[in-house]
Amino acid sequence: AQSVTQLDSQVPVFEEAPVELRCNYSSSVSVYLFWYVQYPNQGLQLLLKYLSGSTLVKGINGFEAEFNKSQTSFHLRKPSVHISDTAEYFCAVSASGGSYIPTFGRGTSLIVHP
Amino acid sequence: GAVVSQHPSWVICKSGTSVKIECRSLDFQATTMFWYRQFPKQSLMLMATSNEGSKATYEQGVEKDKFLINHASLTLSTLTVTSAHPEDSSFYICSARDTQKPINEQFFGPGTRLTVL
Repeated sequence: AQSVTQLDSQVPVFEEAPVELRCNYSSSVSVYLFWYVQYPNQGLQLLLKYLSGSTLVKGINGFEAEFNKSQTSFHLRKPSVHISDTAEYFCAVSASGGSYIPTFGRGTSLIVHP
Repeated sequence: GAVVSQHPSWVICKSGTSVKIECRSLDFQATTMFWYRQFPKQSLMLMATSNEGSKATYEQGVEKDKFLINHASLTLSTLTVTSAHPEDSSFYICSARDTQKPINEQFFGPGTRLTVL
């Protein structure tokens, strides 16, 4: 089984500042990794995913994440945030074989202040 | 492409009544759909996996007689909360896999807010 730990429940940041949302995972098998964003009262939207290949993954809205196998991490970064980035962010992991059903972290609330 | 809709987007009902939530894949066929439940400020918890033409697979601790799932076509799955009670109030989200795309991709609906009075 897989598990995901999002270390920060809430991350406040000022507009145009850089941000990093942390995600660590645990798995005994190879994994796929995902970051999703959820705006209030909406479903989840895929930001980016790591399946294989380059460990630096670029996604939508200027976000990127780096897969670090030795540290079992998949931290999400953005060099300059906007007010519109205020949302809940979920990290998810699935085994790279089998049913591929993801396990979600508890989420990190990104709050961008003007 | 890959749009998933849910209906209704919100519903308020009295305790003891049943509520049906629809999940539709609008521009693709979905052999498999998933139903999640999300409590405020919490993560998504998988309730069940719905496969077209067969019985749903429920996660441990989810009452299948309470949460009835039907996946009668490749574009529609329904979740019926039977005899709803206030503790069933939650945000219900569905997702769907496109049969033409890699199995690791899921597309999420916008969610349905259920409030049971």
